[in-house]
Amino acid sequence: AQSVTQLDSQVPVFEEAPVELRCNYSSSVSVYLFWYVQYPNQGLQLLLKYLSGSTLVKGINGFEAEFNKSQTSFHLRKPSVHISDTAEYFCAVSDQGSGTYKYIFGTGTRLKVLA
Amino acid sequence: EPEVTQTPSHQVTQMGQEVILRCVPISNHLYFYWYRQILGQKVEFLVSFYNNEISEKSEIFDDQFSVERPDGSNFTLKIRSTKLEDSAMYFCASSEAGGGGTQYFGPGTRLLVL
Repeated sequence: AQSVTQLDSQVPVFEEAPVELRCNYSSSVSVYLFWYVQYPNQGLQLLLKYLSGSTLVKGINGFEAEFNKSQTSFHLRKPSVHISDTAEYFCAVSDQGSGTYKYIFGTGTRLKVLA
Repeated sequence: EPEVTQTPSHQVTQMGQEVILRCVPISNHLYFYWYRQILGQKVEFLVSFYNNEISEKSEIFDDQFSVERPDGSNFTLKIRSTKLEDSAMYFCASSEAGGGGTQYFGPGTRLLVL
């Protein structure tokens, strides 16, 4: 069965510092990978996704993630964070080619950017 | 930019009552989903819907739950007899395509069962 692990429940970081939010997954088949952000009282907004091709994926708001198949990871990075990046970040995985389109989510990482 | 909308934003109900959560997916999308997030826990898949029928459902989606697309725009989730453990944030999502298609999420309905 698929699962997604986000080891860090909370990550505090100072403004303009770099950040990495970790995501590891387990699956017996090839997967699609996603990062979503949730600002307070809002829905989930797609940051970026990996479907195939280049393992380095760039998304909105300066975020990027790298797919590492051997380590089954899809860590999210930003070289310099802003106060406005304070939010909850969810990693999700979806099977390729199995006819199921559901997302399996991690437990989320709360990013708090400090002034 | 088109978005998924959900109503109501908050719903308080008594245990045993029926609730209907409503969603308006993005207009040209063909795949529809419900997820829920119990406070402090992960977002969990409930059900997917395509071509006017359920395409997949999770173990959570038992006989107390049903979904419907009553017209060309709305997508509803009904809980027939709510339990305390149904208290959660319920998210609707839609996508244009199936595999690999980006799911666009609504803002959620927070359901509180007393």
